[in-house]
Amino acid sequence: SQTIHQWPATLVQPVGSPLSLECTVEGTSNPNLYWYRQAAGRGLQLLFYSVGIGQISSEVPQNLSASRPQDRQFILSSKKLLLSDSGFYLCAWSFPDGAAQHFGDGTRLSIL
Amino acid sequence: DQQVKQNSPSLSVQEGRISILNCDYTNSMFDYFLWYKKYPAEGPTFLISISSIKDKNEDGRFTVFLNKSAKHLSLHIVPSQPGDSAVYFCAAIHRMDSSYKLIFGSGTRLLVRP
Repeated sequence: SQTIHQWPATLVQPVGSPLSLECTVEGTSNPNLYWYRQAAGRGLQLLFYSVGIGQISSEVPQNLSASRPQDRQFILSSKKLLLSDSGFYLCAWSFPDGAAQHFGDGTRLSIL
Repeated sequence: DQQVKQNSPSLSVQEGRISILNCDYTNSMFDYFLWYKKYPAEGPTFLISISSIKDKNEDGRFTVFLNKSAKHLSLHIVPSQPGDSAVYFCAAIHRMDSSYKLIFGSGTRLLVRP
């Protein structure tokens, strides 16, 4: 069966510091991968998605970037965090031709 | 502009009764809908889905109804159990180049009282 791992679970970072959140999927090949952010009281907003190694599509302009260095690895990064980057970040995967997405347990990011 | 709306931020139901969670959408091009359940500090878990060619899909205690003319769907949980207490997100599929984009509602927090 497929599993998705996301870490760390919580992170506290100062403003202006860099960020690297990692997500890996096991048990499947060539998944579609996604990064979402959930702001307080709001739904999930898609930030990035990838359909293959090295391919990244960005949904909203922001202070973040994503990379997919390996088939089942998806990384969310920032060079300099802003206060507005605080939130709950979720990684998800789907089969290439599948509509349902399956989520990791998320990272709670707090910027001080 | 919210394309998927869940207008009730919270719902409280007695154990054993029916829970009805509602969702409205604005884009008639959406052709597939999903419901997710989310516990605190965890990622959303896929619950049930429905294609626009159907008006009902049932899985155990969970049934999703779709009314395309009203652009409305609902999730029925019966009988409700305390373990169902969670935030429920409705999502609509927007087909992208080689993938699917889920557009989520803002969620409804369900509390099932023992």
